[in-house]
This record gives sequence, C-alpha cells and structure tokens, in this order.
Amino acid sequence: DTAVSQTPKYLVTQMGNDKSIKCEQNLGHDTMYWYKQDSKKFLKIMFSYNNKELIINETVPNRFSPKSPDKAHLNLHINSLELGDSAVYFCASSRAGGEEQYFGPGTRLTVT
Amino acid sequence: DAKTTQPTSMDCAEGRAANLPCNHSTISGNEYVYWYRQIHSQGPQYIIHGLKNNETNEMASLIITEDRKSSTLILPHATLRDTAVYYCIVRVNLGDKIIFGKGTRLHILP
Repeated sequence: DTAVSQTPKYLVTQMGNDKSIKCEQNLGHDTMYWYKQDSKKFLKIMFSYNNKELIINETVPNRFSPKSPDKAHLNLHINSLELGDSAVYFCASSRAGGEEQYFGPGTRLTVT
Repeated sequence: DAKTTQPTSMDCAEGRAANLPCNHSTISGNEYVYWYRQIHSQGPQYIIHGLKNNETNEMASLIITEDRKSSTLILPHATLRDTAVYYCIVRVNLGDKIIFGKGTRLHILP
C-alpha cells in the first residue's frame, strides 16, 4: 500500500506546454505539500495545503497552480513550461501540525 | 535559509556506527531538531526528531548537547542501504515548513 503516490513518475515535455502532476495520499492526513528539487539537489518547499486551503506559497511563479479537489489529493498544474522548471517534484503529507512528513517517490520533469 | 551546518560528506564502514554531526548554534527554545534522509532517486524519509532530550527509535539515536547548539545522529550498525544524504533540520514542531539544507552525503563502505 503506497502512502503517498505521484503520477507520472517521469514527464518529458516541450517549452510552452501546460502539464499537471497528480498526488494522492491514503494516510488520512490534513496537510499536503509540494517540494521542488533542482539539478543541484536543493530541496525547497513550494506550497502547503491544509484541509484544501493554501497556507504556504513560497514565492513560486504564477505559472504554478496547486489544486486540491479533496483532502487526499494535491495536484500541481504548470502553465507555459520553461527550461528552468526541469527538476524533481515531490509531494508530501502530514497530520496538521504533525512532526513527520511522508514524501512521495517524486516526478522527474524534463522540459526541452 | 537552512539554520544548520553539516559536513558535506562522510564515510563509514559497514557494520560500524555512523555518527553524523550537525551544528545549529542559533536554534530557538521552541525549535526541534529533525533528521531526514534521502536515498538516491527516492523521496526524503523521516528518521527522528527531538527537543532537548536524547531520543532513540528503531532507525537511529539522536544526541543533543545540553546547550542545544549541536546534535549527532547515530546509526548504530550501518548497512549499505544507509547510503544516502542526511539532512539535519530545525523547525518549530507545529510549523508546517521544512527548510532543507545541503545535508551530509553518507557513504557506507563494504
């Protein structure tokens, strides 16, 4: 049973396209996150949602729009993809105020 | 910015204890010390956290100095599967944000 799952695992697309990455957690957690890990391996938080409400937005370009249809899902939609968007994107979840965040396996996005 | 300082890399022989140091000299009284690790091509994995007392779980032990300005993560019997980047993080326990630094790349040698 996968706790936090992401689809797709790999995504290759051209500049200017719009793409989405899906995340689902079956842990019953209230809070979900998106992190970006760039080519230098720095892992940075992008967004955090608690009970479908945005609570953290770390100066991410407007081209990135998270969408939470329900508490178990937090999808990431990216418009007008740029070369610099190439990275591994990780979804995570935790209980509200919980100590431990559970991370998904990551989605490797390559923009050509 | 990360509030911790860690060595860039370390080696440890398989079967020996791996001791990973972390400096967090500006830690606040309400901030916890967390450790995560990231095995190659996987998402980060929670290991352990503590406030001021030493902590132990099935994965590791966390030793925090009395002044809380530094800590050590101990993997008691390192295996090849422990090869990973280990991140030391300070955060308010009820806060949602984790700020990852550069971490320590631990190589377990056969």
